[in-house]
Amino acid sequence: DADVTQTPRNRITKTGKRIMLECSQTKGHDRMYWYRQDPGLGLRLIYYSFDVKDINKGEISDGYSVSRQAQAKFSLSLESAIPNQTALYFCATSDRNSNTEAFFGQGTRLTVV
Amino acid sequence: KQEVTQIPAALSVPEGENLVLNCSFTDSAIYNLQWFRQDPGKGLTSLLLIQSSQREQTSGRLNASLDKSSGRSTLYIAASQPGDSATYLCAVRVFSGTYKYIFGTGTRLKVLA
Repeated sequence: DADVTQTPRNRITKTGKRIMLECSQTKGHDRMYWYRQDPGLGLRLIYYSFDVKDINKGEISDGYSVSRQAQAKFSLSLESAIPNQTALYFCATSDRNSNTEAFFGQGTRLTVV
Repeated sequence: KQEVTQIPAALSVPEGENLVLNCSFTDSAIYNLQWFRQDPGKGLTSLLLIQSSQREQTSGRLNASLDKSSGRSTLYIAASQPGDSATYLCAVRVFSGTYKYIFGTGTRLKVLA
């Protein structure tokens, strides 16, 4: 089983719909992240969470919200999807030590039509 | 603001060649640098993690170096194989209010049989 699991893997949704992307991890890490990847722009941070009670905005949080339901679960919601939110979304985890590596999920390819 | 650049954006080489991928960053105040591999439709696989105090790390045919003072890292792949074809991403871990990863835009590598 993967350390970081994202569901769904692929999703097509209509403009204006609400959609939730889910992430769960078995690493026991405190920190979880949501990134989006667009061609030519690299990965950009949407939100991150250092524990269940600590949620922080990243560089591109507008139009998104998150929920940290448990240490192992971190979900990303698009309240009202728009076409420019079409992207590849990644969840990642790391522990609190600044020197450890990050682990990524397989990604969710979201298309908003 | 930390920026991470990867050159070239794409690279095509014949099988068996030794090759170097470049990653540069604008602020030397990093905690570590991580190289990832991304296959189409799949997540990011961590290849090598170099701590800020280290100069290089090796794993099999891969060797990554880090020169913090000049803001550069290189990923050396020896005896390239078609299975090495993927996009390679570098990311630096920095502190900007909190610990974050800043990603480059990647180098898309194709190794021809």
